[in-house]
Parts: sequence; structure tokens; C-alpha cells
Amino acid sequence: DAKTTQPNSMESNEEEPVHLPCNHSTISGTDYIHWYRQLPSQGPEYVIHGLTSNVNNRMASLAIAEDRKSSTLILHRATLRDAAVYYCILRWSGGGADGLTFGKGTHLIIQP
Amino acid sequence: DAGITQSPRHKVTETGTPVTLRCHQTENHRYMYWYRQDPGHGLRLIHYSYGVKDTDKGEVSDGYSVSRSKTEDFLLTLESATSSQTSVYFCAIRRTESGNTIYFGEGSWLTVV
Repeated sequence: DAKTTQPNSMESNEEEPVHLPCNHSTISGTDYIHWYRQLPSQGPEYVIHGLTSNVNNRMASLAIAEDRKSSTLILHRATLRDAAVYYCILRWSGGGADGLTFGKGTHLIIQP
Repeated sequence: DAGITQSPRHKVTETGTPVTLRCHQTENHRYMYWYRQDPGHGLRLIHYSYGVKDTDKGEVSDGYSVSRSKTEDFLLTLESATSSQTSVYFCAIRRTESGNTIYFGEGSWLTVV
């Protein structure tokens, strides 16, 4: 899987939007951009994924740059429950049998 | 909820004893995974399975074996547990029908003393 770069940590206030960046300059045309998050003492949780177009779901939005070399996970209104480590992972469309490769992710801190 | 159950959820065992962790899924997915997570190392893949009796090694497979005799169960065995295998173990399945997204179980906390 191609490499991604994320900030080690970010801090935001409750009830404000949060924009989590991810750089993936070596992304290939068939790589999907996946986001997962891990709350304390829990397993990682799928958040969203996309290929080229921006995506929305009940948890978040994913904005993908036109050249696909970066993306941003958007939490529209952060709550304390959104405090977690967020992982940006590239995954080729064929899937393959092997699992996702997790980096260190971004530790998101939410202030009340 | 991806229908994944891990057991036991917590276990303390002695060095040198065998330990088996079980991952059970209810949705008939083909792909299953075992990860471990340690401070400073993040999540690392131990073994994975792509079907009954079809398994392969991941990044940190030494000291671990797996078996998958039926679709719903993926077993991780530590033949002779060591203190370095104290960790949190996560099982996961892959949903190929939803963009190959992966869903994790709640984890098994293993302490080897």
C-alpha cells in the first residue's frame, strides 16, 4: 500500500468542525482512500472511503483533492466522543487478501 | 456491528503455556485477520485467512499459528506464550461488498506473566 502522511495530533473544540488532513502523493489511480478511527480501548472503526469524488455519510465527509494527492476527513460538529486516533489508509481497488497497513494516525483531542 | 465476537476478552497466562484466541463471525465473510496492538508499534498484522484452510502470514507472525476449519471461526494460537506476546489482539473481517472495508472485533487483552 502507498504511504500516507498525517499530523501526529490535532486539537479542536466541541461542537466545531474538524478537518483532518492526509497527504498521499504516491497514490495510484486504483487506490481507494480509507479512513478509520480508534477510540480508547476499542478496535478500529470504519469511518468512510472514496476514490475520486467527495463522499458523505452519517459519520463524516471525505474531501478528495482533484489530483488525489491529498484528502481531508471532515467531522462537521465534533463531540467529545470523536476524540480518537484517526487513520488514513490507501487500499487498491483489487483488495488482495492481505489486511490494511496502519500508520500512526492523527490523535484528535476535543476540548469541551 | 459486523457480527464479530472475540473470546476470551481478557486472559492472564503464564510463560510457556499455550493460548488460543477465538474469532467468530456470523456473516459468512471470506477474509479474516488477526492484528496485535502495542504502544509505540500501532496495529500490526499477524496472520490472515482468505478462506477455509487458506491462511497466510502477516508482518509479525513468528510465535503464532492460525487455523480456519470453518468459515465462521478463525483461531489464533500461541504455542508457548512469552512476555513479548502480552498485547491486545484484534480480529477483523473484510466486507468485499462494501468497498473492501474492514471491521474489527472488540479485542482480546492478553497478559503473559
